Amino acid sequence: QQQVKQSPQSLIVQKGGISIINCAYENTAFDYFPWYQQFPGKGPALLIAIRPDVSEKKEGRFTISFNKSAKQFSLHIMDSQPGDSATYFCAASLDAGGTSYGKLTFGQGTILTVHP
Amino acid sequence: EAGVTQFPSHSVIEKGQTVTLRCDPISGHDNLYWYRRVMGKEIKFLLHFVKESKQDESGMPNNRFLAERTGGTYSTLKVQPAELEDSGVYFCASRHWTSDGYTFGSGTRLTVV
Repeated sequence: QQQVKQSPQSLIVQKGGISIINCAYENTAFDYFPWYQQFPGKGPALLIAIRPDVSEKKEGRFTISFNKSAKQFSLHIMDSQPGDSATYFCAASLDAGGTSYGKLTFGQGTILTVHP
Repeated sequence: EAGVTQFPSHSVIEKGQTVTLRCDPISGHDNLYWYRRVMGKEIKFLLHFVKESKQDESGMPNNRFLAERTGGTYSTLKVQPAELEDSGVYFCASRHWTSDGYTFGSGTRLTVV
């Protein structure tokens, strides 16, 4: 059973456009929602993260929108650049405390290609 | 600050052989995790160490997988005997107890033929 569903699997955007990747989760105990960016041959790198007490977090061109009632969150990349071409993973983890703290449940990943 | 180091970066072994993957976390990070990504699917949790203790090993596929973290520093993940379905990219990550964020290594790509 996949607890975090990510879409689309792949996305092609023109330079300067907006890239939007969506995730939906099932477990209401999830308390931390990070997005990771992975380039070929490298490990995932933390891009931006949000907790459910806020509905939006922005860092530069990257924004997370969070809808607790719908159990959905999304990544928006404004003014997308060719250098943003990578695989993006959403993830979720449980509340602090307990043996599962810090264990991430990942979505399947989205391959983003930004054309010049 | 040195990152999380994994080696080997690639390993090709025959079915039935043994392979040992190693992870050196960032110094001072008590939390160490192993994850695996198989065939373009999601990255899946394998286990979590806090110092030298296994905090959660609920993601270990079966008893052919053995993870250790002697002395609370580096960790090894041994697969014995390897099966075809063990092929994938194995990631190690570490986290300081004051932080939510992980730092991942570049992974070991394991191919079992």
